Amino acid sequence: DSGVTQTPKHLITATGQRVTLRCSPRSGDLSVYWYQQSLDQGLQFLIQYYNGEERAKGNILERFSAQQFPDLHSELNLSSLELGDSALYFCASSDGSARETQYFGPGTRLLVL
Amino acid sequence: GESVGLHLPTLSVQEGDNSIINCAYSNSASDYFIWYKQESGKGPQFIIDIRSNIDKRQGQRVTVLLNKTVKHLSLQIAATQPGDSAVYFCAENFSEMGSYIPTFGRGTSLIVHP
Repeated sequence: DSGVTQTPKHLITATGQRVTLRCSPRSGDLSVYWYQQSLDQGLQFLIQYYNGEERAKGNILERFSAQQFPDLHSELNLSSLELGDSALYFCASSDGSARETQYFGPGTRLLVL
Repeated sequence: GESVGLHLPTLSVQEGDNSIINCAYSNSASDYFIWYKQESGKGPQFIIDIRSNIDKRQGQRVTVLLNKTVKHLSLQIAATQPGDSAVYFCAENFSEMGSYIPTFGRGTSLIVHP
């Protein structure tokens, strides 16, 4: 158990819909990262937050957004969903130090029908 | 070795053998590298990391080798066990605006036969 929690574990929705994925980082970790893992693209970095502020942006679509709240939990919002958004979405956290070892949550499996 | 295309390369070994998983990275500015293990249905799990100022680092049963000249990373697992069966990813990181941006390799599937 990495100490990172993600909810929900599974999510099935329809095209055009909007969903919110939630992540609670390990106790004491200030950084939260979001990743998408699909069969054809592998593990792709989406976005990073550090202590409530966006710190780095990767291959995140404009239809997707994220935020980190004062209690350090984070949410990833996916809107206007398309079939190709079906994937595993992982959250990871780190303490924000230079070492940047990331601890991954169990993921949310999203299926868009 | 590192994957190309849609299919993960697979390494099959016998229990007790040593395993070597390879990874080619792309960014010469990357200065921090991590190996992750991902078991079926789980998130990636940190195994070992290495910074670009050294070329070898050892952990418990694992060794990571870094060759910056050819941008190549390898993970050696000694006395491989069935519990080591998983997909292994390397991640290269470079620092941008004070934060590390990770790029993951496609992964290698390790299958350990008892």
